[in-house]
Amino acid sequence: GAGVSQSPRYKVAKRGQDVALRCDPISGHVSLFWYQQALGQGPEFLTYFQNEAQLDKSGLPSDRFFAERPEGSVSTLKIQRTQQEDSAVYLCASSLAPGRKNTGELFFGEGSRLTVL
Amino acid sequence: GESVGLHLPTLSVQEGDNSIINCAYSNSASDYFIWYKQESGKGPQFIIDIRSNMDKRQGQRVTVLLNKTVKHLSLQIAATQPGDSAVYFCAEAWLRGGKLIFGQGTELSVKP
Repeated sequence: GAGVSQSPRYKVAKRGQDVALRCDPISGHVSLFWYQQALGQGPEFLTYFQNEAQLDKSGLPSDRFFAERPEGSVSTLKIQRTQQEDSAVYLCASSLAPGRKNTGELFFGEGSRLTVL
Repeated sequence: GESVGLHLPTLSVQEGDNSIINCAYSNSASDYFIWYKQESGKGPQFIIDIRSNMDKRQGQRVTVLLNKTVKHLSLQIAATQPGDSAVYFCAEAWLRGGKLIFGQGTELSVKP
């Protein structure tokens, strides 16, 4: 596609429900990132994939958060037993290359807004 | 810990004026810095980047300045337009790849 696509755009969950957020990166992009953005804050890093390998998951706040990218393209962020503090916009971004020597741009999707009641 | 922060949370300017948004970073090992613009309901949009071996880089109406001595980054927008109204984030990273660390953001409001 033309850009990074995320779905759903909006999700309302009851506390304790599981949710799955999908990211379709730009075709051919090697690197994929997930960020969490609370209202009025900057994006906070969650996890990073290079192709199908999850190279960095240091930002995942708890073991309720799980991300995968099994075929090195589409990625899913899963949150189990959602809690109110999980309410945020979840941003996905992709870039062409692992490093940034030739291209520095990280292309972001419009995000999935999760509200946990 | 690592952090990137902004001096001014909000900035209001008159249309046509120049805008300067500032950012301080703390990790001297970072070798790549980026400015993003985020409009309401959208994801961050790349504006301009700069490597640590440079102190200035210019784009279309935007200039990024890097002062490694005091770990300071700034974004200058020339002839600010209403369409420039958004939240601006600086981020630090590494040329080898990996995560970006974002600051808190500055909201730029342009008055017609």
